[in-house]
Amino acid sequence: DAGVTQSPTHLIKTRGQQVTLRCSPKSGHDTVSWYQQALGQGPQFIFQYYEEEERQRGNFPDRFSGHQFPNYSSELNVNALLLGDSALYLCASSSGTEETQYFGPGTRLLVL
Amino acid sequence: ILNVEQSPQSLHVQEGDSTNFTCSFPSSNFYALHWYRWETAKSPEALFVMTLNGDEKKKGRISATLNTKEGYSYLYIKGSQPEDSATYLCAPSGAGTYKYIFGTGTRLKVLA
Repeated sequence: DAGVTQSPTHLIKTRGQQVTLRCSPKSGHDTVSWYQQALGQGPQFIFQYYEEEERQRGNFPDRFSGHQFPNYSSELNVNALLLGDSALYLCASSSGTEETQYFGPGTRLLVL
Repeated sequence: ILNVEQSPQSLHVQEGDSTNFTCSFPSSNFYALHWYRWETAKSPEALFVMTLNGDEKKKGRISATLNTKEGYSYLYIKGSQPEDSATYLCAPSGAGTYKYIFGTGTRLKVLA
């Protein structure tokens, strides 16, 4: 049983560009959350998707948007990239029947 | 829940030593407390989820306790092994919210 998978593993972009990160949840999970981990910090909540809708959002600007597909996979889109968007982006999946979010290995984004 | 603090930030112990870390969080609106172990280049691994004051959980040589009234949790590792080397993250979640608020973690290095 595959756990949470994310693609790509690494990405380099330049300021002003747009990026799309992808996440496939663990089998049986219907909820996907995205977190950003900047250097020296703990992961920070970006948003959560459930039933193809954004259910809750953290303190991130509208440049960060997402999508959830009918198969529960999800994308995180970041527009107009800033240097400060350089970070590890983690995806976590969960289901309504248990409390725990299960994390993928992350996508490391570098903005030059 | 806004501010989660973990201490120490890092520590080195000898193989066979026992150690413990602290996670402090505001006790208002508390719902659950999650502990994760995160090895370099891997996905964060869920260790425990605790909800009730006085909860104690154990997984092999690792155990955790929870005090929701004063807002802290302890993680203990008995007889540390080199494979325990990782960053240990705690994340409380609040009632009526789906996001986890992560601390910055405790980086443990177990020396053989």
